[in-house]
Amino acid sequence: ELQLVESGGGLVQPGGSLRLSCAASGFTLSSHPMHWVRQAPGRGLECVSAVSSGGDPYYVDSVKDRFIISRDNSKNTLSLQMDNLRVEDTAVYYCARRLGFGYALDVWGHGTMVTVSS
Amino acid sequence: DIQMTQSPSSLSASVGDRVTITCRASQSVGSWLAWYQQKPGKVPSLLIYKASTLQSGVPSRFSGSGSGTEFTLTISSLQPDDLATYYCQHYNSYPHTFGQGTKLEIK
Repeated sequence: ELQLVESGGGLVQPGGSLRLSCAASGFTLSSHPMHWVRQAPGRGLECVSAVSSGGDPYYVDSVKDRFIISRDNSKNTLSLQMDNLRVEDTAVYYCARRLGFGYALDVWGHGTMVTVSS
Repeated sequence: DIQMTQSPSSLSASVGDRVTITCRASQSVGSWLAWYQQKPGKVPSLLIYKASTLQSGVPSRFSGSGSGTEFTLTISSLQPDDLATYYCQHYNSYPHTFGQGTKLEIK
C-alpha cells in the first residue's frame, strides 16, 4: 500500500522553528516529485514547496528564505525545515507525491497541524 | 504566477442532478490541470489529471474537459457521497496554483 505519514507539527511562537517529516512506504520517495501543500483553517490549498526527482527545490514566495525542503533517501523520508515562523503559516501541512511528469498529486499524507501563536 | 479561478464558489444541487464546475487559468496551462475532491474533515484526493484522465478508482460519473485556460469538472448524476469541496490545480509551471475551491452541497 502506498502511504505517506507526516509528523513534527505543533504549537510554536512567532519567530520559532519546526521540522516536519514525511515517511513514505510502498514506493521510493526519491523517484518522484514530492510536494508540501498547506491548508489554513477554513481556507483552500496552497503548494508551498516541492522537490523534483532530480532534487531541485521550489518554494512559494511567502516561504522563500525561511523554509527548506530536503529528502533523506536512506530513510525514504521528506522533510520541511521551517524557520522564522509567522502567524500566517498556521495550517495543516500535507506531503503529497506526484507520480511524475504530466501527473498530479496522487498520494497524500493525513497532514500535520502547525500552529504559530504567542 | 498563474492564477486559477473557480466558479461558482458554492452550489447546492439535488441527488441525480448534473453538476458542472468551471476553472479558468490566467494564462494557458495546456492540459496540465487536475481536479481534487476534499470531503469534510478529510484529506484531498485526486479525481482527474491531464484535464480529462480519470484517476484509478474514481467513479465514472466524474469527468473533466478543457484545455488552455478553461476547464470543467462534471458530475453526471450527483450522489450523496459527492458532498465535498472541489479544487482545480494547474501543474504547468511552478507555483502549481490551486483554485479557491467550490463547495458542493446536497439539497
